[in-house]
Amino acid sequence: EDQVTQSPEALRLQEGESSSLNCSYTVSGLRGLFWYRQDPGKGPEFLFTLYSAGEEKEKERLKATLTKKESFLHITAPKPEDSATYLCAVQAWETSGSRLTFGEGTQLTVNP
Amino acid sequence: DSGVTQTPKHLITATGQRVTLRCSPRSGDLSVYWYQQSLDQGLQFLIQYYNGEERAKGNILERFSAQQFPDLHSELNLSSLELGDSALYFCASSPVTGGYGYTFGSGTRLTVV
Repeated sequence: EDQVTQSPEALRLQEGESSSLNCSYTVSGLRGLFWYRQDPGKGPEFLFTLYSAGEEKEKERLKATLTKKESFLHITAPKPEDSATYLCAVQAWETSGSRLTFGEGTQLTVNP
Repeated sequence: DSGVTQTPKHLITATGQRVTLRCSPRSGDLSVYWYQQSLDQGLQFLIQYYNGEERAKGNILERFSAQQFPDLHSELNLSSLELGDSALYFCASSPVTGGYGYTFGSGTRLTVV
């Protein structure tokens, strides 16, 4: 069974204080690892897909990296508007169909 | 607006009742996925349809069922509702089955009283 564990559960940062979120995963055969951002009461918003170990992707202040066992979401010089819950999910190769298995998320708060 | 439309946004109903949640996928997307998000369990995959056919099934209760229609919209039917079914229900869509990030709708908040 695919499993995703995210840490920390919650993180408080001061504006401009860089940090990283961790996503550890076990999956039978990784098809893709996904990062989403979710604001309270709203649907998850797609950020990145990583397909193989060593891959990196960047978007504004966010950078996602992938190894064979974990992924990191690095946040550089965060702003208050980066406050949200960040979700990691894995997709395994399946004979038919697909699904994303999500972690519980990291709730990020950035104080001005 | 993500392009995935879910209705209704909020639903309050009594235990034992049946409700139907509706989802219109993003234009051009053939796959529809349903997820349940409750406070204590995070996002849980329920079921996937691709071009009208069921393709993957998660831990969906027997009281729940879904279908995808020829126009690609999907409906999730929840019956014999219990207090524990109160949650946010999200629909997501993607162009094909797998390999791409899903686009999520804004969800339906179901409250069972």
